[in-house]
Amino acid sequence: QKEVEQNSGPLSVPEGAIASLNCTYSDRVSQSFFWYRQYSGKSPELIMSIYSNGDKEDGRFTAQLNKASQYVSLLIRDSQPSDSATYLCAVKAGAGSYQLTFGKGTKLSVIP
Amino acid sequence: DVKVTQSSRYLVKRTGEKVFLECVQDMDHENMFWYRQDPGLGLRLIYFSYDVKMKEKGDIPEGYSVSREKKERFSLILESASTNQTSMYLCASSLVPAGGQDTQYFGPGTRLTVL
Repeated sequence: QKEVEQNSGPLSVPEGAIASLNCTYSDRVSQSFFWYRQYSGKSPELIMSIYSNGDKEDGRFTAQLNKASQYVSLLIRDSQPSDSATYLCAVKAGAGSYQLTFGKGTKLSVIP
Repeated sequence: DVKVTQSSRYLVKRTGEKVFLECVQDMDHENMFWYRQDPGLGLRLIYFSYDVKMKEKGDIPEGYSVSREKKERFSLILESASTNQTSMYLCASSLVPAGGQDTQYFGPGTRLTVL
């Protein structure tokens, strides 16, 4: 059974701080990793995707991947109240796989 | 921009009714997916389709069926709705075939209540 684990939170950070969201996965052959943001009552929207070890930056967001440790994280710099949402980590295995396995999400609250 | 639309945002049905949830994508994506999302359980895959008329069971297919007669449209069918099928249903689509670096894009969701 493929598993993706996230701390459910809530994670509370003050406005302007760095929010750090973590995710571990069980399937060693996983090759594609995604972070989705989901506001309450809305559908998930893609923030970042990462496929290679290391860091990938996009604006205030940085995704970090360490395949040896089976660990992926999302850093949000200069956190804003509008970043308050649930963040879903999703993992896809390699060739032949169509499915994403989602974590249950971490709820982030940015305090003004 | 990728656009995935779902036929209803909110739906109320009675136990035993046959329910159709429709999903349409406008970006010529090969793959389409149906999930349900429940508090504490996260997103769970019901069925997916990687081509017209092709379908595969996901993690929780029991009580559901699907239809994909055209590439852009993927329907989820609850043959006989039950109260435990009350949930948020999310459709998604993606472009690249298996193993590629594809991304799933989600529709707005249908909140189904079965009374």
